[in-house]
Amino acid sequence: KAGVTQTPRYLIKTRGQQVTLSCSPISGHRSVSWYQQTPGQGLQFLFEYFSETQRNKGNFPGRFSGRQFSNSRSEMNVSTLELGDSALYLCASNPGQSTGELFFGEGSRLTVL
Amino acid sequence: AQSVSQHNHHVILSEAASLELGCNYSYGGTVNLFWYVQYPGQHLQLLLKYFSGDPLVKGIKGFEAEFIKSKFSFNLRKPSVQWSDTAEYFCAVVAGGYNKLIFGAGTRLAVHP
Repeated sequence: KAGVTQTPRYLIKTRGQQVTLSCSPISGHRSVSWYQQTPGQGLQFLFEYFSETQRNKGNFPGRFSGRQFSNSRSEMNVSTLELGDSALYLCASNPGQSTGELFFGEGSRLTVL
Repeated sequence: AQSVSQHNHHVILSEAASLELGCNYSYGGTVNLFWYVQYPGQHLQLLLKYFSGDPLVKGIKGFEAEFIKSKFSFNLRKPSVQWSDTAEYFCAVVAGGYNKLIFGAGTRLAVHP
């Protein structure tokens, strides 16, 4: 069974630009969550989608948004990039239960110059 | 607000030494508790979990953790570490439903042959 796939794996953007990251969950998984990992703040929850609906959201500004498609694939978007948005963005999937048992992808490493 | 504290940020051990990593959380209600591990160059993966029942849980690769409700703790242990255990270990908690994990800051473990 293929794992969680995230694209792109690496990207470089400049301040003010926007970025879209993509996540394909494990087949059959209907919940997709996104996390930001930085050396200073650690792992922080961004949001979770289930059946195309956002069912939980972390404490991030509105520049961070996401969506989920009918095939459970998810995208997250960050607009008006700031230097502090440089991070590893992790996607995780789950069959749909609200247990916290998540299967993570390898992440998309975003560098903002 | 819920939080997770990991007592050690860096741990260095020799092979065959015993390991104990401390984790405390702040939440008075029912929680699901986890240890996730991130091996060098690999994705974050589940090491073990506690939902209910026996407070001593066993995970992969010989790891175990003990939930002590009165101390709000979920410490990770391994009797004899191996060089391949070199990784970063994250304690996490889910409280209040859904898949919003609150992570500790992580502990970097280095095991020397």
